[in-house]
Amino acid sequence: QSALTQPPSASGSPGQSVTISCTGTSSDVGSYNFVSWYQQRPGKAPKLMIYEVSKRPSGVPDRFSGSKSGNRASLTVSGLQAEDEADYFCSSFADNTNVVFGGGTKLTVL
Amino acid sequence: EVQLVESGGGMVQPGGSLRLSCAASGFTFSNSWMHWVRQAPGKGLVLVSRISTDGSITYYADSVNGRFTISRDNAKNTLYLQMNSLRVEDTAVYFCARGTITAPRSTFDLWGQGTMVTVSS
Repeated sequence: QSALTQPPSASGSPGQSVTISCTGTSSDVGSYNFVSWYQQRPGKAPKLMIYEVSKRPSGVPDRFSGSKSGNRASLTVSGLQAEDEADYFCSSFADNTNVVFGGGTKLTVL
Repeated sequence: EVQLVESGGGMVQPGGSLRLSCAASGFTFSNSWMHWVRQAPGKGLVLVSRISTDGSITYYADSVNGRFTISRDNAKNTLYLQMNSLRVEDTAVYFCARGTITAPRSTFDLWGQGTMVTVSS
């Protein structure tokens, strides 16, 4: 069982918006603004999409956005495109200098 | 090209050992905290270990503490993970990853393609 809780699946039609949640505790998401989101396509390495809750690395489309409230973080993908279909993992810095991950959400573009 | 390339995975019996390597190129390796993250088949990601830029600070997940050793050779731009007393539950794809400048211990902005470790009798 993963430390952070994500829904196993999410879906949306092209052009729609979808939000993926990531629920932790006061020992991780709730205490640190070091929440990240990674995209992983089958058989590929994860790719950083959001860091420090809401910042986007260079090259990541602004369709991707992140937020946090209390112990819950969210990733929103706006204007869904077929290429967004992938697994998405959240992570957070945690007490004892650990980093915890969510179990992943499979995003399907219908 | 900025990249990380892992090697050294394979199949080993329970109780055996493996040494993983991660060759870095295209960036100043000695300035980066480095990490090993693993992913069991069909499962999520788990941080296994991290090492500071000069190797003086390390972290291990409880599940591998005392069995795995992380190290680096900045002259060779290479990260290592020595894995001893391997268990079936260590079976996973092992990724090396680079920590970011602003959050070196918690955020990973460059990942290798991974190397598969299978522990089975």
